[in-house]
Amino acid sequence: GNSVTQMEGPVTLSEEAFLTINCTYTATGYPSLFWYVQYPGEGLQLLLKATKADDKGSNKGFEATYRKETTSFHLEKGSVQVSDSAVYFCALSDPLGGYNKLIFGAGTRLAVHP
Amino acid sequence: DGGITQSPKYLFRKEGQNVTLSCEQNLNHDAMYWYRQDPGQGLRLIYYSQIVNDFQKGDIAEGYSVSREKKESFPLTVTSAQKNPTAFYLCASSIDIPPNTGELFFGEGSRLTVL
Repeated sequence: GNSVTQMEGPVTLSEEAFLTINCTYTATGYPSLFWYVQYPGEGLQLLLKATKADDKGSNKGFEATYRKETTSFHLEKGSVQVSDSAVYFCALSDPLGGYNKLIFGAGTRLAVHP
Repeated sequence: DGGITQSPKYLFRKEGQNVTLSCEQNLNHDAMYWYRQDPGQGLRLIYYSQIVNDFQKGDIAEGYSVSREKKESFPLTVTSAQKNPTAFYLCASSIDIPPNTGELFFGEGSRLTVL
C-alpha cells in the first residue's frame, strides 16, 4: 500500500542555518505530494505541493522537488528563522483513488534557536 | 472569513462516556474528514465523507461514529468502545470534484483527554 516515511526529529538548528527534512514515499500510480506545517496548538496548513514528477513546490522560502526516480520529496530552506519552528508533515494523495485521502508521514519537529 | 471551526478545543471525558466533537465549515467543500493525531504517529484517517448523507470508514474507524446531515457539518462521536481515545482530533475539508488538487483545509483541532 501507499506510505510515507520521514526522517525522525527533532531537528534542532540555529537561526539562518540550512534545513533539509527527508521524505520518501511508496505509491502505486502517480500521487501528488505535499508538505504541511503545524504550528504549536494549531491544525495543519498546506506549505507546498507538487503534482507530477520533476515539479518543484515552493512557498515562504521552502522548496521541495518531486523526484520519481528516487521516490523522494525532501523539504529544504536556505536560511531558517525562529518562526519556522513547527512540525512538518510529508503527505501523498492519489487522485485516481476517487477522493482526496491523504496519507501522512509521522511528522518531523523542527526547533530553531536564535 | 471562510474556514473550519472545531469545538470544543479541549474536552475531558470519564471512561464509559460518549463524547461528540463538532466540525463546521463554510468553504462550500463537498468532502470532509476526521483525523486522529498521536505523538510520533502522524495523522490517521478515522472517517471521511464525500457528500451529504454518505460517509466511509477510514483506517481506524472502530469506536467512532459520524453523521453528515448537512454539507457544512461533520460531527464525530467518540464512543465508549474506543479503547484509547485520548488524542488530538483534526477535522478537514476539501474540494472533491476534478481537478482534485488533494489539498485539505484543517481546523485547529480538539484535544480529548480521558480521565
